[in-house]
Amino acid sequence: EADIYQTPRYLVIGTGKKITLECSQTMGHDKMYWYQQDPGMELHLIHYSYGVNSTEKGDLSSESTVSRIRTEHFPLTLESARPSHTSQYLCASTWFNEQFFGPGTRLTVL
Amino acid sequence: EDQVTQSPEALRLQEGESSSLNCSYTVSGLRGLFWYRQDPGKGPEFLFTLYSAGEEKEKERLKATLTKKESFLHITAPKPEDSATYLCAVQAGGRGSTLGRLYFGRGTQLTVWP
Repeated sequence: EADIYQTPRYLVIGTGKKITLECSQTMGHDKMYWYQQDPGMELHLIHYSYGVNSTEKGDLSSESTVSRIRTEHFPLTLESARPSHTSQYLCASTWFNEQFFGPGTRLTVL
Repeated sequence: EDQVTQSPEALRLQEGESSSLNCSYTVSGLRGLFWYRQDPGKGPEFLFTLYSAGEEKEKERLKATLTKKESFLHITAPKPEDSATYLCAVQAGGRGSTLGRLYFGRGTQLTVWP
């Protein structure tokens, strides 16, 4: 059983605000991922990390940034939110080839 | 290009009516095929990993099988609590692949009514 925590679960903000979505895991997994999911669509990889101080962009063009200063923490930041950023954001970590997901953050930008 | 296609998009079953969901894939060097269950407003919940053609795995009313081009998720005598979206994902191992990343299909939305 994997323990991945995401906060907040729901967020409604205005255009132009800076936001940080938190993701943490208590299992010591090295590989962590951020996905974006819209209703009825595939999960798209937006960022990933293989360990501390390692971050890469995924397939989906994203205006977000990530950091990995500690193994257990992988936050995602939007410097200036726009309505096009409205989506569900899912964090995941991998252990022995099995990927486990957090509960997600539903972001709405007005 | 690595791709995953799931069918049908939506499936409605009466309780007890068995059926199968399909996941066809095109991937460079398959390292694993994964099935997840996702309930509304939640993150995907891991169900199975399959690694090679011919492999099968079971969990309660679910059975997953794998061939060289597709995977099936068989649901036997489903119950209303099996209603969810079922996602299929593949992990590629070919040259240039991002280690550990998954390519997802769009899912099959399953509704089981009493």
